[in-house]
Amino acid sequence: DIQMTQSPSSLSASVGDRVTITCRASQGISNYLAWFQQKPGKAPKSLIYAASSLQSGVPSKFSGSGSGTDFTLTISSLQPEDFATYYCQQYNSYPFVTFGQGTKVEIK
Amino acid sequence: EVQLVESGGGLVQPGGSLRLSCAASGFTFSSYDMHWVRQATGKGLEWVSAIGTAGDTYYPGSVKGRFTISRENAKNSLYLQMNSLRAGDTAVYYCARPNTIGAFDIWGQGTMVTVSS
Repeated sequence: DIQMTQSPSSLSASVGDRVTITCRASQGISNYLAWFQQKPGKAPKSLIYAASSLQSGVPSKFSGSGSGTDFTLTISSLQPEDFATYYCQQYNSYPFVTFGQGTKVEIK
Repeated sequence: EVQLVESGGGLVQPGGSLRLSCAASGFTFSSYDMHWVRQATGKGLEWVSAIGTAGDTYYPGSVKGRFTISRENAKNSLYLQMNSLRAGDTAVYYCARPNTIGAFDIWGQGTMVTVSS
């Protein structure tokens, strides 16, 4: 199984901050990586697929990068609506997909 | 509007069974693989099962032999039959649709399954 490890597990940031979340795969997954945002009591929402492609309707303040084993999600200027938990997902071994453990972004 | 709506969750005793449903609308259901993903309270996301357009099925070891995914294209519906349920199966269960390259792009709102005596 491909293991996905996110860091940090949580972070505190202020409105306007630039935030970066890292996701590392236990083996190379090319660019078969997606990012999701989840708010309390809600379903995950797709942000990025293919490591760096923005889903339709997702604001450009979100960006993704990486290939192989190391990936990042960046929020360029954190807004109140961005406080949430973020998950990465690999689909290189599709349909056997796996998720990272999540990164909770909290208000400082 | 593309939409997935789950139903069928509830309280069940350990060892019992439950069948979840997911109603799809706004897209050609038969043309897409479909998946179930679960999330225990306060925990992360865990992939539970997948079904291809040809009816091929896939499971992780944690549910293989106990859960069965199926689909009924004429009704635009996805199902998850869960047998021999354990306390560790307690979670919100989401159905999800992958795009053409496998990344999940549409999620349902989830249905809660509680396994407890």
